[in-house]
Amino acid sequence: GAVVSQHPSWVICKSGTSVKIECRSLDFQATTMFWYRQFPKQSLMLMATSNEGSKATYEQGVEKDKFLINHASLTLSTLTVTSAHPEDSSFYICSARDPGRLVVIDEQFFGPGTRLTVL
Amino acid sequence: AQSVTQLDSHVSVSEGTPVLLRCNYSSSYSPSLFWYVQHPNKGLQLLLKYTSAATLVKGINGFEAEFKKSETSFHLTKPSAHMSDAAEYFCVVSDLDTGNQFYFGTGTSLTVIP
Repeated sequence: GAVVSQHPSWVICKSGTSVKIECRSLDFQATTMFWYRQFPKQSLMLMATSNEGSKATYEQGVEKDKFLINHASLTLSTLTVTSAHPEDSSFYICSARDPGRLVVIDEQFFGPGTRLTVL
Repeated sequence: AQSVTQLDSHVSVSEGTPVLLRCNYSSSYSPSLFWYVQHPNKGLQLLLKYTSAATLVKGINGFEAEFKKSETSFHLTKPSAHMSDAAEYFCVVSDLDTGNQFYFGTGTSLTVIP
């Protein structure tokens, strides 16, 4: 149980285009999802917290107009990188909490990640 | 403020020998602590988690970690390393003060020598 998927697993795009990454909770409803960014050989940095039916909360330094997050349903959150540039190339990872398990712990379940390369 | 320090960016062990990956944390409340493993180009897999119950936590693949509040440590150990253990390991802390937000350590890369 508690499986999170991401699509696509990798994407290559031209500079200036927009890219959408999907994060789905497959066997549970996730009221809260998180988006992380990971540069090569570095740790994960939280970009934003996505709450179903409300606006995402962005971490300091993350441009909300560039990284659009939509959490329109309890099983899907999307991250759109608008007008992507080479410096946006990174590994993007989403995670989700399973409210049914919160009574035990605040665990997050991670997706497999999406590697974005902007040419 | 919450933070996690992984003291070694890289650890190298021989196959069959013990593994020790060190993690120290700072937290203003009763923390939750996790160890995740990440294989190349893969997502994070939970190894184990500390839930304020038993201080010695057993995880998957023979890993375990001990929560030591007096030392603010949560070191990860395994008695005998296997080649498949080669990966990146992340220590994570969260607590109620920050709405259970995850704070990741910088990671430790484990190499297993045949």
